[in-house]
Amino acid sequence: AQSVTQPDIHITVSEGASLELRCNYSYGATPYLFWYVQSPGQGLQLLLKYFSGDTLVQGIKGFEAEFKRSQSSFNLRKPSVHWSDAAEYFCAVGAYSSASKIIFGSGTRLSIRP
Amino acid sequence: DTGVSQDPRHKITKRGQNVTFRCDPISEHNRLYWYRQTLGQGPEFLTYFQNEAQLEKSRLLSDRFSAERPKGSFSTLEIQRTEQGDSAMYLCASSLGGGFSQETQYFGPGTRLLVL
Repeated sequence: AQSVTQPDIHITVSEGASLELRCNYSYGATPYLFWYVQSPGQGLQLLLKYFSGDTLVQGIKGFEAEFKRSQSSFNLRKPSVHWSDAAEYFCAVGAYSSASKIIFGSGTRLSIRP
Repeated sequence: DTGVSQDPRHKITKRGQNVTFRCDPISEHNRLYWYRQTLGQGPEFLTYFQNEAQLEKSRLLSDRFSAERPKGSFSTLEIQRTEQGDSAMYLCASSLGGGFSQETQYFGPGTRLLVL
């Protein structure tokens, strides 16, 4: 069965520091992979997605993620975080044949230290 | 704004009452999804529609829950005889469908339900 694991429940980084949020997935075929961000009172916003091709994916707001099949990982990175990046981040996986069902991880809450 | 909209944004109800939520997808999107998100968790898939046809339902969707999309545009999610365990954020999403590059779900702001 598909599953997504985000091992870090809460991460705090200093403003201007680099960020890496971890995500591991379990799925037998080639997955769709997504990162979404959810700010308080806001809906989920898509940061980036991977379907195929280049394993380093660029997203909005300066985020990128790298798909590593050998490690079943899709970690999210940002070289320098801003206070406005404080939010909940969700990694998600969808089936290759149909993205009708997206399986979300439990999320990582990001706090920014001034 | 032409994003996904949901109404109401907040709903407080008493246990045993029925509630109905509405979702208006992005206009050209033919797929519509419902998810439920409880505190501290990621969204969990409930059901989805391709146009007016409901094609998949999660086991989370008990017989007290019913969803419709009668004309293939907006959708409603009804919960009958609400229970305190139904308290959650109910999220709607829509997508174009029809191809890998189009299969991205865009989410609405959600309806937060509190059952007293």
